[in-house]
Amino acid sequence: EVQLLESGGGLVQPGGSLRLSCAASGFTFSSYAMNWVRQAPGKGLEWVSAISGSGGTTYYADSVKGRFTLSRDNSKNTLYLQMNSLRAEDTAVYSCAKSPYWDYMDVWGKGTTVTVSS
Amino acid sequence: EIVMTQSPATLSVSPGERATLSCRASQSVSSHLAWYQQKPGQPPRLLIYGASTRATGIPARFSGSGSGTEFTLTISSLQSEDFAVYYCQQYNNWPPWTFGQGTKVEIK
Repeated sequence: EVQLLESGGGLVQPGGSLRLSCAASGFTFSSYAMNWVRQAPGKGLEWVSAISGSGGTTYYADSVKGRFTLSRDNSKNTLYLQMNSLRAEDTAVYSCAKSPYWDYMDVWGKGTTVTVSS
Repeated sequence: EIVMTQSPATLSVSPGERATLSCRASQSVSSHLAWYQQKPGQPPRLLIYGASTRATGIPARFSGSGSGTEFTLTISSLQSEDFAVYYCQQYNNWPPWTFGQGTKVEIK
């Protein structure tokens, strides 16, 4: 069974940092692009970042560019999102999602909650 | 950036009736359009990709149509488990990959 399991969320003060992880199983992790998508409380879906299967190419939403860094360890089947200089507006549920290519998202994790507040 | 606009924001439908949801792109996305269903407390689930191809395990009552800038998701006969929020997403021009703001389908 294809599964994605996020971890690493929590409460952090403005300006702080967090690292999210997404553990993948049930598919050949290195063959697929991966994404992070977030959803603020009561709001819609916002794409945050994407990475190629090899990890050599990354993309970021303007709202997080320069503050977030996406990486992956294909030997551990794990995706990482390093989040620095966090702001209140980064408060959301962060979900990782698999893409067959640079396209739609066919498998989603349940998400991990990030709360940025003093 | 391509802006995706969904309408209506809320759709009130009785069980067994047909529901028609719309999604408009600010510029052509060809057929590179996906639909997702999200229930409270759950992650989104892929329903449709390529504007009209049902994802694995999706019931035939869900159908997608359209190309270019106008798209429609139709649920032919609403079941109780279909009451949820539905999002469209374009993957023609990226980054960014962009979603509509969602349509909530509620029980009438």
